[in-house]
Amino acid sequence: AQSVSQHNHHVILSEAASLELGCNYSYGGTVNLFWYVQYPGQHLQLLLKYFSGDPLVKGIKGFEAEFIKSKFSFNLRKPSVQWSDTAEYFCAVMPTNAGNMLTFGGGTRLMVKP
Amino acid sequence: SAVISQKPSRDICQRGTSLTIQCQVDSQVTMMFWYRQQPGQSLTLIATANQGSEATYESGFVIDKFPISRPNLTFSTLTVSNMSPEDSSIYLCSVAPQAAGNTIYFGEGSWLTVV
Repeated sequence: AQSVSQHNHHVILSEAASLELGCNYSYGGTVNLFWYVQYPGQHLQLLLKYFSGDPLVKGIKGFEAEFIKSKFSFNLRKPSVQWSDTAEYFCAVMPTNAGNMLTFGGGTRLMVKP
Repeated sequence: SAVISQKPSRDICQRGTSLTIQCQVDSQVTMMFWYRQQPGQSLTLIATANQGSEATYESGFVIDKFPISRPNLTFSTLTVSNMSPEDSSIYLCSVAPQAAGNTIYFGEGSWLTVV
């Protein structure tokens, strides 16, 4: 079975700092990759996704992620965070033969200090 | 995308009772999923509910505890039976619209607290 690891459980940054959240997965086959965000008191929202093609994908709100197949990684980045980026971020993996079933990482809580 | 409505959004339940959560989607979808998010933790898939067939449960979840109905392509229910405080969680409905490829969308969740 596949698994997803997010190594940073809590991250605290000041506004304008750069962000990189790690995500590694274990699965030998082809996968679709996702980052979801959950703002305080709100539901999960899709931030970005990778299915195929250019391994650098851009999402909403200035976020991007890079799929590095050789490292089984899909790290999330943002060059300059804002206070409004305070949220919990979840990486998720969907093997292409898994019938749309997602496996989530443990989540990373990001706090941006104004 | 898809608009997913869940009811109730929040509830406080007595130990030993059961509660049914409803999930309504604004378009027809073949596959619907129910997830649980326990306090401070990530999401765990409970089961996959396809219209016209029995739900498929993940390891650690059983039909007697979490019966699911899927009467049509826009609606599903999840019942949390004989609740205990350990069932206090957010329960999320999610769908994979055909037009969205393999993208999964989530409802706002149902926050259950069992006392």
